[in-house]
Amino acid sequence: DVKVTQSSRYLVKRTGEKVFLECVQDMDHENMFWYRQDPGLGLRLIYFSYDVKMKEKGDIPEGYSVSREKKERFSLILESASTNQTSMYLCASSLSSVSPYEQYFGPGTRLTVT
Amino acid sequence: AQTVTQSQPEMSVQEAETVTLSCTYDTSESDYYLFWYKQPPSRQMILVIRQEAYKQQNATENRFSVNFQKAAKSFSLKISDSQLGDAAMYFCAYRRGYSGGGADGLTFGKGTHLIIQP
Repeated sequence: DVKVTQSSRYLVKRTGEKVFLECVQDMDHENMFWYRQDPGLGLRLIYFSYDVKMKEKGDIPEGYSVSREKKERFSLILESASTNQTSMYLCASSLSSVSPYEQYFGPGTRLTVT
Repeated sequence: AQTVTQSQPEMSVQEAETVTLSCTYDTSESDYYLFWYKQPPSRQMILVIRQEAYKQQNATENRFSVNFQKAAKSFSLKISDSQLGDAAMYFCAYRRGYSGGGADGLTFGKGTHLIIQP
């Protein structure tokens, strides 16, 4: 089974702090994704990566950056956390850029910025 | 840009009954994939069912089946013989077909909260 793990289930940070959310997948998947989930808004794509050191902006990249130094690890970085970044963050991975495109999700990190 | 609409924020069904969750989408692409994901209270999203747009036959996975109407851009999920474990948020998602390299994320609807009444 594919396993996607995220470093924290719950995280509390202060406004202005630099925050790192880590994601690791164990199935040699090419693609990795970061989504943000908010009630009533569903999931929205922040960034994704299709190869080591490669990244693409999603629908809501402002205030975020990412890093992928190794194939299995994809980090989401909040350079200066703000209260409007309080949310659930979900990491996902997929095997490749051809069908069937199924994405496997991690358990999520609930981030609170105070 | 593609959009996915789930018009039912919440649905309730009696255990053992059948329920249908609605999803419509908007796209100009001809090659795409549609998904239903389930997110139980434990939060781990899992894939329920997948449909390729080029396939006319509706996908089925045990008690879960879809009604894919390509012309109407509709992709509903039917859950038969509902069980207490089916209680969850259900998200409809869209992905365009092969994009010539790189990757694409999924476009999600806002979700439907399914309640199972014992």
